[in-house]
Amino acid sequence: SYVLTQPPSVSVAPGQTARITCGGNNIGSKSVHWYQQKPGQAPLLVVSDDSDRPSGIPERFSGSNSGNTATLTISRVEDGDEADYFCQVWDSISDHAVFGGGTKLTVL
Amino acid sequence: EVQLVQSGAEVKKPGESLKISCKGSGYSFTSYWIGWVRQMPGKGLEWMGIIYPGDSDTRYSPSFQGQVTITADKSISTAYLQWSSLKASDTAIYYCVRREMGTFDYWGQGTLVTVSS
Repeated sequence: SYVLTQPPSVSVAPGQTARITCGGNNIGSKSVHWYQQKPGQAPLLVVSDDSDRPSGIPERFSGSNSGNTATLTISRVEDGDEADYFCQVWDSISDHAVFGGGTKLTVL
Repeated sequence: EVQLVQSGAEVKKPGESLKISCKGSGYSFTSYWIGWVRQMPGKGLEWMGIIYPGDSDTRYSPSFQGQVTITADKSISTAYLQWSSLKASDTAIYYCVRREMGTFDYWGQGTLVTVSS
């Protein structure tokens, strides 16, 4: 089955740029989606189809996808961005969804 | 406004059965797949399976096939996740999600299921 690999944690100072990666075999050929989950809350879609932002998501959130790595980039990081972030793809071969293990973003 | 509203928290004993629900509103319930996602305490997200309420076509993750049953009643815009015999390892938060193409664009608030003797 398809596997997505994320770093367990990323730390960044306020105002800096955070980059969270999601690795997978030829992931560049798939559409990658990113979710933000704050403590005690349901996940929230922040980037879909590699780089699209749903309505209401700040422009500071962006995504890219190429080769074996997709990246969620959060510019001008704020304290409120501290959360867990999960990547996800739909594996068309198995017709199943796959989630990455999640990355905890800490704002220093 | 699209909403997925889930049933409340449950506390059950091992071996008991359970059915939790997810009611959709604000969109055509029969036109979108509804899925279920498990989150065990302090852990990540796991996709369990999905159903198309329009014709009840259902798919399961291999990890959950045979362990749970996903159904839907389109007459009341509600999807269900059920267990016939709960285990302590089923303790988790369960989210229902609406599938839009390959992504999950709307999430329910989650249902905490606690299984303990």
